Amino acid sequence: GAGVSQSPSNKVTEKGKDVELRCDPISGHTALYWYRQSLGQGLEFLIYFQGNSAPDKSGLPSDRFSAERTGGSVSTLTIQRTQQEDSAVYLCASSYGPTSGETQYFGPGTRLLVL
Amino acid sequence: KQEVTQIPAALSVPEGENLVLNCSFTDSAIYNLQWFRQDPGKGLTSLLLIQSSQREQTSGRLNASLDKSSGRSTLYIAASQPGDSATYLCAVIPFAGGTSYGKLTFGQGTILTVHP
Repeated sequence: GAGVSQSPSNKVTEKGKDVELRCDPISGHTALYWYRQSLGQGLEFLIYFQGNSAPDKSGLPSDRFSAERTGGSVSTLTIQRTQQEDSAVYLCASSYGPTSGETQYFGPGTRLLVL
Repeated sequence: KQEVTQIPAALSVPEGENLVLNCSFTDSAIYNLQWFRQDPGKGLTSLLLIQSSQREQTSGRLNASLDKSSGRSTLYIAASQPGDSATYLCAVIPFAGGTSYGKLTFGQGTILTVHP
């Protein structure tokens, strides 16, 4: 079956612009995660969704970052007024259920470059 | 705060060698530990998941062990091949009073190169 998909695969934007990154999880997966991978920081957790609610937003680095999930499926990560330090690969993952024992399946990521 | 460390940061071996990648974590209160593989420009592929109650998992030429009390895991790759070249990431799901939500804490990775 189809895996986790993300779009766009690459995004170049100018400092100060807003960007939206999209994630389509595996069908039937109720848990969805956003992570960020940058050169200096490695892979970091951003936010977790269970269904359409986000019980853990502790990894969002600032209030310029927000995310939503609709229909228990697609999720959008929005970065407002982008800064150069936002340049990174943004990875989305999904898993079958809310327990902590489930394997997470990752998408290919969106490579964001802020000029 | 849970911290995950991977050693070595990079490893280059000739084809056919058996090798070990190391992962250590500071807090032994974990739900599980996962090993991932990441190819350049690609996402992560889950290789093995070890539940906290387990000691090891095997898949083909890969074997991962977990010693929760000492905060260590190893990934053993037998008879390495050039196609094994990738970055290997170790990640744990911390136990946080039952509300960890499954979020992964990653190590920095080991870059493996297997040359013919």
